[in-house]
Formats: sequence, C-alpha cells, structure tokens
Amino acid sequence: GDSVTQMEGPVTLSEEAFLTINCTYTATGYPSLFWYVQYPGEGLQLLLKATKADDKGSNKGFEATYRKETTSFHLEKGSVQVSDSAVYFCALRRGSTLGRLYFGRGTQLTVWP
Amino acid sequence: EPEVTQTPSHQVTQMGQEVILRCVPISNHLYFYWYRQILGQKVEFLVSFYNNEISEKSEIFDDQFSVERPDGSNFTLKIRSTKLEDSAMYFCASTHERTQETQYFGPGTRLLVL
Repeated sequence: GDSVTQMEGPVTLSEEAFLTINCTYTATGYPSLFWYVQYPGEGLQLLLKATKADDKGSNKGFEATYRKETTSFHLEKGSVQVSDSAVYFCALRRGSTLGRLYFGRGTQLTVWP
Repeated sequence: EPEVTQTPSHQVTQMGQEVILRCVPISNHLYFYWYRQILGQKVEFLVSFYNNEISEKSEIFDDQFSVERPDGSNFTLKIRSTKLEDSAMYFCASTHERTQETQYFGPGTRLLVL
C-alpha cells in the first residue's frame, strides 16, 4: 500500500546550518507530494508541494524535488533559523485531489542560536 | 486569516466512556477530514466527509467511530466507547471545493484514555 518513510528525529542544528530531512515514498501511479510543518500549539500547515516528477516545491527558503527514480522528496534549507524549529511531516496523496493524505512520522527540528 | 479550530485542546476520559471531539472548519470549505497521531507513530487518516456523508474511511474507522455535521459550522468525531489505544492527537482538516490541493488543519485535540 501507499506509505511514506521519513527520517527519524530529533534533528538539532545551529542557526545558519544546512538542513536535510529525508523522505521516501511507496505508491502506485503518480502521487502528489507534500511537506507540512507544525509549530508548537498550532495545526499542520502546508509548507510546499510537488505534483509531478522533477517538480521542485519551494517556500520560505525550503525546497524539495520530486524524484520519481529514487521515490524521494527530501526537504532542504540552506540556512536554518531559530524560528524554523518545528515538526516537519512528509505526506503523499494519490489519485483524487480530495483524497486522503498518507503521512510520515514527523521529524522534530530544533535550531539553536 | 481563516483557520480550522478544534475543541477541546485536551481531553482525559475513562475507558468505555463516549467522547465527542469538535471542529469548526473554515467557513466556505465543503470537504472535511479527521486524522489521528498516536504518540511516536504516523499521522493516520480516519475519515473524509462531504455533502453530509462519508466519502472514504480507513480500516481504523470502525463502528465505534462516527462523524456528524450537526449544523452549518461544526464537524464532530464521536468515539462511542473509548479504548486505551484511542489515546492520540486527533486532527481535523478541511478543503475548499476549488482550491482542492491544500488541506487546512486544526491544532488538534489530545485525547488521553485512562
């Protein structure tokens, strides 16, 4: 069945460090891929998305490229800030745009000044 | 900016009791979802709801669960007889009919069953 495997956390970085959070998926067909972020006390917010192979999603300095050959959608940021501290979730949606999301376990990121 | 709200933020209940988790989706949204996350595990889909009926449900969503849109604003998840393993964070989400790409999530309700 469809599933998402996400890098285990927690991840702790110093400010301005480079961030990578790995995400791989298993799905039939051509799923859409998402990264959601959850700041403390808030709901999951869409960070970025990609709907077809080789698409790059980007937002707030974060990027992820939909790699069909490696079934991956790794999240990267060149220089993290303290305000990026949050939980990051990789997710996929197959088929209908109204369909369910399949999530990974989430990766806790803490950035120290 | 409009947002999805959920109440209560935390709920503690005894095993076997009924609980109702409440959600107020964004006002012009028509599709609604419940997800849950057991501590340390993945966020899991429970059910989707449109036009006053269930669109899709997962294997988790058994007869102990039900959803309802009792009025024009609330969307509820009822667990009829809670079990210890129902302890989790429950997230509500909604989607606009046209901008269907994004599911907007609430902050969650943390349910603890003792």
